[in-house]
Amino acid sequence: EDQVTQSPEALRLQEGESSSLNCSYTVSGLRGLFWYRQDPGKGPEFLFTLYSAGEEKEKERLKATLTKKESFLHITAPKPEDSATYLCAVQAVGGGATNKLIFGTGTLLAVQP
Amino acid sequence: GAVVSQHPSWVICKSGTSVKIECRSLDFQATTMFWYRQFPKQSLMLMATSNEGSKATYEQGVEKDKFLINHASLTLSTLTVTSAHPEDSSFYICSATPSGGTQYFGPGTRLTVL
Repeated sequence: EDQVTQSPEALRLQEGESSSLNCSYTVSGLRGLFWYRQDPGKGPEFLFTLYSAGEEKEKERLKATLTKKESFLHITAPKPEDSATYLCAVQAVGGGATNKLIFGTGTLLAVQP
Repeated sequence: GAVVSQHPSWVICKSGTSVKIECRSLDFQATTMFWYRQFPKQSLMLMATSNEGSKATYEQGVEKDKFLINHASLTLSTLTVTSAHPEDSSFYICSATPSGGTQYFGPGTRLTVL
């Protein structure tokens, strides 16, 4: 069964304290891995798509990496405005034309000034 | 680019009434749209997948007669919660995807059923 597990469930950082969020996945064949940011009471905001092992993408203080079993979201020198829930999702090959996503339960990040 | 809107952003209704939520892709044509619900402190739960001009595909355990989905055009999908009850109170979020697989999400609709 396709599955996505995120860790930690919650993370509290001081401003400027770099860290990484983990997303482990089990899927028959990976079509794509997605990272989203969700603020309270809002819909998820798209961050990155990764397609193959070894791929990396960056946006401001965030960098996403991908291996055959997991993805990391590295946050460098975070600021309080980076506080949010970060969601990881995978899309499996063979899911037909529906492009269905399988979500993890998210990591709640709090960055304190 | 890739902006998705939802309307309304919040709605309060009485038990037994029906509520319609609209989802629009503003700057692209969406071949597929998805509807999710999210309970507090939980992740997104996929309810159904809709393709323009065809019937929606519902996830196991989701009542298709209660949650009516219409995808009448490449930029608009609607979710109607029929005969709503307090247990239907939730945060409903839609997403849309152009070709390529990435889903872009709307801002969500908070439904409260009294």
